[in-house]
Amino acid sequence: DAGITQSPRYKITETGRQVTLMCHQTWSHSYMFWYRQDLGHGLRLIYYSAAADITDKGEVPDGYVVSRSKTENFPLTLESATRSQTSVYFCASTSDRGQPQHFGDGTRLSIL
Amino acid sequence: GEDVEQSLFLSVREGDSSVINCTYTDSSSTYLYWYKQEPGAGLQLLTYIFSNMDMKQDQRLTVLLNKKDKHLSLRIADTQTGDSAIYFCAVPDSGGYQKVTFGTGTKLQVIP
Repeated sequence: DAGITQSPRYKITETGRQVTLMCHQTWSHSYMFWYRQDLGHGLRLIYYSAAADITDKGEVPDGYVVSRSKTENFPLTLESATRSQTSVYFCASTSDRGQPQHFGDGTRLSIL
Repeated sequence: GEDVEQSLFLSVREGDSSVINCTYTDSSSTYLYWYKQEPGAGLQLLTYIFSNMDMKQDQRLTVLLNKKDKHLSLRIADTQTGDSAIYFCAVPDSGGYQKVTFGTGTKLQVIP
């Protein structure tokens, strides 16, 4: 199916573990984004990418790492998970300036 | 960066009109967006308005933009229980990379 997919949909892990959230889009969009959604904060940008091999920090990048070796994939890694990273994570993509972002269904991550 | 404000909660009776407001501090001259998030789902683009327009109507949805006051609103006519969701306004940043800033979201509760 065309679109943007995130995996896993749900993840429970322990503090200190490394966890990777996957994001894949089939539109060949240049721009991709990772957000976290927390009550009272709306969506906050973690990292974004303008093209393969071009990434940059957003508002809340600490504790996260991204890569973009292929246009269609934009994985987000928590190197050593902390409880404060318990959240819902959304990936989004868009083709060009002025076009809306399209969102995946999210990954609900709980860190115990 | 951009600062986007929304009220957190709105309750209306089924059949009434709903008005969700959004204020922002700055924006580039492109589109401004409204997204809808249903429980457990990602954000879906609901409607948008180009920054040189004052109003856009799309079936039951009316978007009003007051650039002078930096105020955006979404009116939903004849609100239905299926409209119960969280609504986010999104305003492009003045920088590049297609970044947008999302409001904190307004939770719309429709009372039957």
